[in-house]
Amino acid sequence: AQSVSQHNHHVILSEAASLELGCNYSYGGTVNLFWYVQYPGQHLQLLLKYFSGDPLVKGIKGFEAEFIKSKFSFNLRKPSVQWSDTAEYFCAVNPYGNNRLAFGKGNQVVVIP
Amino acid sequence: DTGVSQDPRHKITKRGQNVTFRCDPISEHNRLYWYRQTLGQGPEFLTYFQNEAQLEKSRLLSDRFSAERPKGSFSTLEIQRTEQGDSAMYLCASSLTDAYNEQFFGPGTRLTVL
Repeated sequence: AQSVSQHNHHVILSEAASLELGCNYSYGGTVNLFWYVQYPGQHLQLLLKYFSGDPLVKGIKGFEAEFIKSKFSFNLRKPSVQWSDTAEYFCAVNPYGNNRLAFGKGNQVVVIP
Repeated sequence: DTGVSQDPRHKITKRGQNVTFRCDPISEHNRLYWYRQTLGQGPEFLTYFQNEAQLEKSRLLSDRFSAERPKGSFSTLEIQRTEQGDSAMYLCASSLTDAYNEQFFGPGTRLTVL
């Protein structure tokens, strides 16, 4: 079945550590890719997006993600996290021509000061 | 605030009651989506509107669920004869009509069925 996979659902790390969250999907063809973030008590917000072009995309708050087509992956990275990055992170895939977003289960990230 | 708004933010109801949620999208967005999110899961697609036309429904949307967008602006999602399994966060999103499908989400309505 077509799906979006996010592993390591719970991630705990200290401030200044590097963060990498994996996202793999099983949809073939052209896809639009997104990372959304949900801070405690807030709604889903777009962190970054990939439609085409440079596979390394930069988002808000120092986040970046790399699209590797051959691996069907869109991993999220941040070199040095802050306490304020504590949130849940969702990868979402939109197969081209389809109108729905398919989400992964999310990564709950806790940054310890 | 010009983002997506949802009302109510919280709803507690007894099993068997009907509930209705409202979503107001970003004003220039023609597309409107409903998703459901349960604990430990990502949002799951329920249905989608292009203006007032409901163009796609997930198999998750049982016959107890109905959604409308009568004038192509706000939308309502009604659940009839609620069950405990309907307890979830119901999210609304909107987007422009383009190939990118960048969706903007509202704060959600948290439904608790007792």
